[in-house]
Amino acid sequence: DAGITQSPRHKVTETGTPVTLRCHQTENHRYMYWYRQDPGHGLRLIHYSYGVKDTDKGEVSDGYSVSRSKTEDFLLTLESATSSQTSVYFCATKAGQGAKNIQYFGAGTRLSVL
Amino acid sequence: GEDVEQSLFLSVREGDSSVINCTYTDSSSTYLYWYKQEPGAGLQLLTYIFSNMDMKQDQRLTVLLNKKDKHLSLRIADTQTGDSAIYFCAETDMNRDDKIIFGKGTRLHILP
Repeated sequence: DAGITQSPRHKVTETGTPVTLRCHQTENHRYMYWYRQDPGHGLRLIHYSYGVKDTDKGEVSDGYSVSRSKTEDFLLTLESATSSQTSVYFCATKAGQGAKNIQYFGAGTRLSVL
Repeated sequence: GEDVEQSLFLSVREGDSSVINCTYTDSSSTYLYWYKQEPGAGLQLLTYIFSNMDMKQDQRLTVLLNKKDKHLSLRIADTQTGDSAIYFCAETDMNRDDKIIFGKGTRLHILP
């Protein structure tokens, strides 16, 4: 258990509203990631961070923004939620050096956009 | 681009061995991983193998790597009901080793 907490665990919101998901880690890992999981698509990377204030886009970043003001916290924001963003969102952190990329995952946030 | 492929479903009788297969496209892959996801939970690392190894064994789990065919397999001996889960194959992204590429996952169903 890498001490990753996601909040909220469940959220229902309406189309067009802003939503922020939070990921908190206690392991002081440098790298943090946001993924979404959808049937038929597996796990897809949204954004990731390689340090405080250092972030980069993943393969499905449109409609999402992130912020990392502290090592332990990584926020994912949907500026204006759409139904296509209904999904299960996972946060992860990386342990290991270089190409040895061991990732630890939070329990997930189930988001429904109506 | 890089891709990791695995079959979506596998059914196995309790007590039998389960073999989950995966193919990958990046011949320069360094690390390959198997993750397990139980219902309602996040992914959990099961095991990993470095590309200079052919096999790795850990209790009931055996990982086989065939670099020539770019094929990775996970064998679970004496499959139990608690092994019912989705299993993800993954590899370190050769372009950015701070990312890993996941397959779509294989759902393992245990028959009584």
